[in-house]
Amino acid sequence: AQSVTQLDSHVSVSEGTPVLLRCNYSSSYSPSLFWYVQHPNKGLQLLLKYTSAATLVKGINGFEAEFKKSETSFHLTKPSAHMSDAAEYFCVVSDNNAGNMLTFGGGTRLMVKP
Amino acid sequence: GAGVSQTPSNKVTEKGKYVELRCDPISGHTALYWYRQSLGQGPEFLIYFQGTGAADDSGLPNDRFFAVRPEGSVSTLKIQRTERGDSAVYLCASSLMGLDANGYTFGSGTRLTVV
Repeated sequence: AQSVTQLDSHVSVSEGTPVLLRCNYSSSYSPSLFWYVQHPNKGLQLLLKYTSAATLVKGINGFEAEFKKSETSFHLTKPSAHMSDAAEYFCVVSDNNAGNMLTFGGGTRLMVKP
Repeated sequence: GAGVSQTPSNKVTEKGKYVELRCDPISGHTALYWYRQSLGQGPEFLIYFQGTGAADDSGLPNDRFFAVRPEGSVSTLKIQRTERGDSAVYLCASSLMGLDANGYTFGSGTRLTVV
């Protein structure tokens, strides 16, 4: 069985400061991992993905995430937050044993203060 | 089309009524997925189609929920005897052949409200 835990339901940062959104996963097999972002009343947008290539993954809008197998983590970071980054972020896992099903974490709401 | 299209964007229905939610995937995408997102939660898997057949329907909560994809393109999620607990955003996604390195492309969802 696969599962995802997003350790913070809400994160608040000031504009221009670093962002860290934490994610731990559980998977029986070599997982694929994703981060999606959801702006209010908008669809889910893929930020970045890990699929057993480089462990440091760069995504859109300056975000990146590092796959750490020993820690079963896939934390999302960004060096400098922008007001437009305020949104809901979902860490997602999928493994071959679960077919093509994505399992989502509960989400982290990122707030950016001016 | 350019993206995954879901209609209607909003649906309000009375408890006990029947509803149909439509998903039009990206042209050529053989894999299609339905997810349900309740308020304040992450999306939960409902059903996965590969072509016309349901390859995995393990996420459907009960027999009031049913989905079809008769021609391997458009899919319809059908909910009978709706209950207030069915209120949620229903998301559809498609991908070229199944889970691939690009993940899925999601639609904007249908917000279902059962009153």
